[in-house]
Amino acid sequence: KQEVTQIPAALSVPEGENLVLNCSFTDSAIYNLQWFRQDPGKGLTSLLLIQSSQREQTSGRLNASLDKSSGRSTLYIAASQPGDSATYLCAVLETSGSRLTFGEGTQLTVNP
Amino acid sequence: DADVTQTPRNRITKTGKRIMLECSQTKGHDRMYWYRQDPGLGLRLIYYSFDVKDINKGEISDGYSVSRQAQAKFSLSLESAIPNQTALYFCATSDPGLAGGQYNEQFFGPGTRLTVL
Repeated sequence: KQEVTQIPAALSVPEGENLVLNCSFTDSAIYNLQWFRQDPGKGLTSLLLIQSSQREQTSGRLNASLDKSSGRSTLYIAASQPGDSATYLCAVLETSGSRLTFGEGTQLTVNP
Repeated sequence: DADVTQTPRNRITKTGKRIMLECSQTKGHDRMYWYRQDPGLGLRLIYYSFDVKDINKGEISDGYSVSRQAQAKFSLSLESAIPNQTALYFCATSDPGLAGGQYNEQFFGPGTRLTVL
């Protein structure tokens, strides 16, 4: 059974700092990996998706990397802003394309 | 307008009542999913459907049923609600092809907060 772990569970940083969120998964046979953002009481917004054959994806100040063989992904946020405060979720899709397994998330607070 | 909508957004009900949560999407995706989110447990898959005639159980389907009325509509029912079904419920869609995004990227609705007393 696939298990996804995110470290740290919570992170508080001053505005402007670069930061890294970590995600690890136990079964490397994945179809893709997706990073989401969730604001309190709200839905999930897809940030980046990395196919299993890719090594990284970038969108604006966000960069996600994938090392499938070691079961790890990182989400790099450059020049953090208070508006980046949210919970960030990592999820892996199994090879059948049916089951998305989520980590419990990293709660990020960016202080002005 | 939102691509994936859920109704109701909030619902309070009593133990034993039948509840239906509805999901509609305008993304034209064939694949639809229902998840629940609980503090400390993350999001877990309840049911998924790859097309109108395809329904599959997910990780935690006991106590739930679904109906895929059309490509754009996927409903989740709690036949007899119980307090431990209190949670935030999400509907999601995806497309296995490149149209509209990358392979199997999942897009989520805003969620339904369900409280069972």
